[in-house]
Amino acid sequence: AQSVTQLGSHVSVSEGALVLLRCNYSSSVPPYLFWYVQYPNQGLQLLLKYTTGATLVKGINGFEAEFKKSETSFHLTKPSAHMSDAAEYFCAVRYSSASKIIFGSGTRLSIRP
Amino acid sequence: DGGITQSPKYLFRKEGQNVTLSCEQNLNHDAMYWYRQDPGQGLRLIYYSQIVNDFQKGDIAEGYSVSREKKESFPLTVTSAQKNPTAFYLCASSIDRGAGGDEQFFGPGTRLTVL
Repeated sequence: AQSVTQLGSHVSVSEGALVLLRCNYSSSVPPYLFWYVQYPNQGLQLLLKYTTGATLVKGINGFEAEFKKSETSFHLTKPSAHMSDAAEYFCAVRYSSASKIIFGSGTRLSIRP
Repeated sequence: DGGITQSPKYLFRKEGQNVTLSCEQNLNHDAMYWYRQDPGQGLRLIYYSQIVNDFQKGDIAEGYSVSREKKESFPLTVTSAQKNPTAFYLCASSIDRGAGGDEQFFGPGTRLTVL
């Protein structure tokens, strides 16, 4: 079955350190890929998305993600973590224009002072 | 400002009662969605609608009902048949032009607690 996997339900990094949140999808055909952020008791906000073209996608708040077809991955990174980055992050995949978006189970990012 | 509004933000229900969660959007989007969020489980699709007067069941539709009489509105009713309704409910919308890259826009959510 088509799915999306986020490795690590909880990631903790120090302020100023690299943030790396992992996302893998399960199709040999490049899908449409999304990263969303959710702050406590709020809705989801789009960080970035990949549809076609450049494989390195830049988003809001200094985040970026790279689509790697050979690894079926779309990992989210940020060079230097800020305290305000503490939130839950969801990777989402849409395998075709006719299919529904599938959300990963989420990764909670904590930032240590 | 364009966006999606959900009301109420917090809702308390006694067992056996039906409750209706409101979702309104002024983005002129055709598609609207309802998700349920439980801790550690991500988002699960309850119902979705791609056009007025039409809607489809998602993965966990049992115990829920919806209507789509207007493009802007997609209310969700949690019925007494839903055995474990305590959760965070999110409404979303998208343009749905048939392009797979159209993202969904989310409302702020309603937290439902059954007493």
